[in-house]
Amino acid sequence: QKEVEQNSGPLSVPEGAIASLNCTYSDRGSQSFFWYRQYSGKSPELIMSIYSNGDKEDGRFTAQLNKASQYVSLLIRDSQPSDSATYLCAVNRAGGYNKLIFGAGTRLAVHP
Amino acid sequence: GAGVSQSPSNKVTEKGKDVELRCDPISGHTALYWYRQSLGQGLEFLIYFQGNSAPDKSGLPSDRFSAERTGGSVSTLTIQRTQQEDSAVYLCASSLSGRRTEAFFGQGTRLTVV
Repeated sequence: QKEVEQNSGPLSVPEGAIASLNCTYSDRGSQSFFWYRQYSGKSPELIMSIYSNGDKEDGRFTAQLNKASQYVSLLIRDSQPSDSATYLCAVNRAGGYNKLIFGAGTRLAVHP
Repeated sequence: GAGVSQSPSNKVTEKGKDVELRCDPISGHTALYWYRQSLGQGLEFLIYFQGNSAPDKSGLPSDRFSAERTGGSVSTLTIQRTQQEDSAVYLCASSLSGRRTEAFFGQGTRLTVV
């Protein structure tokens, strides 16, 4: 089992729809969770962080965390073609090392 | 500088040559990561430095790869006797320690072995 799992996609949604990206993790002691966006040919950029159970909203983005289910998700409302990218989930490994573990990413395609 | 800086941005080298890639992390960041990303693929973890702890080298693909972090700041990734399969983008990221471990990436070094 991979430490951080994501569906590779592609996830295809029409413009204006809600895109839902999901991530599961194996380390029950993890405390910090992040979503990165990577455009083709560019470096990953941090778009959301979440540390507590529940929802965290930032503009069109909402991160959701459920530690009991070891599940974190990212919702993108009113999806735009410019949101087309690969979305990477990252989770810190509990314990003294605090190392970030990345999922393989989900490719999102928003079509007009 | 404000962000993670990597140099060079692009490097073309001949098969069998050694290369050094440099990463300047964000000032004050104690954690530093190196990743490799081949075209169309995900991030491949290479090595992780955290403060004065022994680095996590579990992702280095062979003994041709090594990395150092001097003075807890600048890091150099060295690839000896480069092979064509080493061609990829090499990404560096840094973060604070503690709970807020969000990492910030440099722009990467695109390595092409011919």
